Amino acid sequence: QVQLVESGGGVVQPGRSLRLSCAASGFRFRTYGMHWVRQAPGQGLEWVALIQNDGSKEYYADSVRGRFTISRDNSRDTLYLEMNSLRAEDTAVYYCAKDWNDRGYDYWGQGALVTVSS
Amino acid sequence: DIQMTQSPSSLSASVGDRITITCRASQDIRNNLVWYQQKPGKVPKLLIDTASTLQSGVPSRFSGSGSGTDFTLTISSLQPEDVATYYCQKYVSAPLTFGQGTRLELK
Repeated sequence: QVQLVESGGGVVQPGRSLRLSCAASGFRFRTYGMHWVRQAPGQGLEWVALIQNDGSKEYYADSVRGRFTISRDNSRDTLYLEMNSLRAEDTAVYYCAKDWNDRGYDYWGQGALVTVSS
Repeated sequence: DIQMTQSPSSLSASVGDRITITCRASQDIRNNLVWYQQKPGKVPKLLIDTASTLQSGVPSRFSGSGSGTDFTLTISSLQPEDVATYYCQKYVSAPLTFGQGTRLELK
């Protein structure tokens, strides 16, 4: 069955960096676009970034562009989110999500909590 | 960027009520609209894609409609297990913006 397992969350000071990983299994990873979506505590969903199936194109929300980098390793079935210059407002649960034929996310990971605090 | 506006932001209703949640895009997105359900403490679940296509396994009391800029999620007869927050998302041309969510509670 399809599984997406995030790791790498934790507590980090403002201005520092953190890298999230999302290990995928149960489907042909290299075939699908992948996304990161975040949810601040008690708040709604915010789309963060998208990478196409072959890694050729990336797209970002304005709130993270220039600070975050999405990437993938199709040989390892793993998605990444490199987060630099972290701010308090980046505190959130970060979900990786699998695109389903440009029609939404059919699978989500369980989420990784990132807390930016001094 | 295209903005997505959901209304209402919260809703309290009784079992058996007909519920309507609206989502408005600031520009034409054709039928590139997705609805998710997120129950408390859970991961979001895809309910409807391309504005009106019900996902497999989703109860038929859920339906979606609309095209262009105005979209609707309808629950024909509210059940206790439908208590959740519902989000729309435009699924074309990044950024793939979500609506702010509609929190649905039981009276």
